[in-house]
Amino acid sequence: AQSVAQPEDQVNVAEGNPLTVKCTYSVSGNPYLFWYVQYPNRGLQFLLKYITGDNLVKGSYGFEAEFNKSQTSFHLKKPSALVSDSALYFCAVRDTNTGNQFYFGTGTSLTVIP
Amino acid sequence: SQTIHQWPATLVQPVGSPLSLECTVEGTSNPNLYWYRQAAGRGLQLLFYSIGIDQISSEVPQNLSASRPQDRQFILSSKKLLLSDSGFYLCASDEGTSSYEQYFGPGTRLTVT
Repeated sequence: AQSVAQPEDQVNVAEGNPLTVKCTYSVSGNPYLFWYVQYPNRGLQFLLKYITGDNLVKGSYGFEAEFNKSQTSFHLKKPSALVSDSALYFCAVRDTNTGNQFYFGTGTSLTVIP
Repeated sequence: SQTIHQWPATLVQPVGSPLSLECTVEGTSNPNLYWYRQAAGRGLQLLFYSIGIDQISSEVPQNLSASRPQDRQFILSSKKLLLSDSGFYLCASDEGTSSYEQYFGPGTRLTVT
């Protein structure tokens, strides 16, 4: 069955430190992987995606993510966290075998401490 | 790029009243459209998705329904709201295999009292 796991409900990091938000996935075919950010009472904003090619993908606001096929992971990273990065982050996967449906993780709340 | 509009932004309705939430999409044609519900600011629950006019798939049995009367219009409805229908409703759109990612509207906060 297709699924996405975000093992951490909450991540705290000091401003200026590197941040990592973890995501693992399970699909039957080739995965299309995505990260989204959500600020309070707002819709989800697309950050970045992995479809094919280079395992390290760069996205909006200085975020990047690394696709690791052997570990079935797609962790979100940023070299230096900002207070304004504090938000809810969602990982999602689209299974090429099942077509249109997206599977979202349960979200990780990131707090950047000044 | 796509722009997704949702209205109303917030809604307070009594139990047993009807519901109609609307979503419209600009900047694309023949999109896939989705309704999600988010409870307590956390995980997304897929309610309905549509690959074309009058083509609706329901993911979760409940007292909600969806309709797509036009290519870029998606409506979520209920005849009688329940307390458990409270939540944050998000409309999303994608272009199938041409761009892969979904884009989300700003959401509607529904409180059933």
